[in-house]
Amino acid sequence: KQEVTQIPAALSVPEGENLVLNCSFTDSAIYNLQWFRQDPGKGLTSLLLIQSSQREQTSGRLNASLDKSSGRSTLYIAASQPGDSATYLCAADQAGTALIFGKGTTLSVSS
Amino acid sequence: DTEVTQTPKHLVMGMTNKKSLKCEQHMGHRAMYWYKQKAKKPPELMFVYSYEKLSINESVPSRFSPECPNSSLLNLHLHALQPEDSALYLCASSLYGLNSPLHFGNGTRLTVT
Repeated sequence: KQEVTQIPAALSVPEGENLVLNCSFTDSAIYNLQWFRQDPGKGLTSLLLIQSSQREQTSGRLNASLDKSSGRSTLYIAASQPGDSATYLCAADQAGTALIFGKGTTLSVSS
Repeated sequence: DTEVTQTPKHLVMGMTNKKSLKCEQHMGHRAMYWYKQKAKKPPELMFVYSYEKLSINESVPSRFSPECPNSSLLNLHLHALQPEDSALYLCASSLYGLNSPLHFGNGTRLTVT
């Protein structure tokens, strides 16, 4: 069964810093990996989806990479802003049928 | 604003009540999902509908009963819930399945008293 782990659980940085969030998964036979953002009390917002055949995806200041063979993904956030403060969730599919989520990294960016 | 609309936003119900959660999307997505999220925990999959047919039931107790009346609408019927069922219930949709991004609603915050 797919298991997803995210490190660190929480991260505090000053505005302007570049940062990396880490995600690992146990079953490398994935169709894709997705990164989401969740604000307190809200639903999830899809940030990036990386297909299993891809190595990375970029959207604005966000860049996500995927290394299937090692079961790892990273989310790179450039020039962080206070508005980036949220919980970031990584999710990998299980046999293409369901998304399994990590516990998330709670990011706090101070101005 | 999310393109997946969930109602109600908040719901308080007693253990003997029957209530329903509603989810609607008009993006033409053919896969719809129910997730349950407890505080400080990741979302856990409950049900998946694909082309209006139930394709996955993650061993959810029968007091939760999903329904997909048409391709735009997903309901979750609740009956005889327990206090431990209190959680944020999230609906999501995707174009065909997991090869396309999931779009989540803002959820229904359920409290069972």
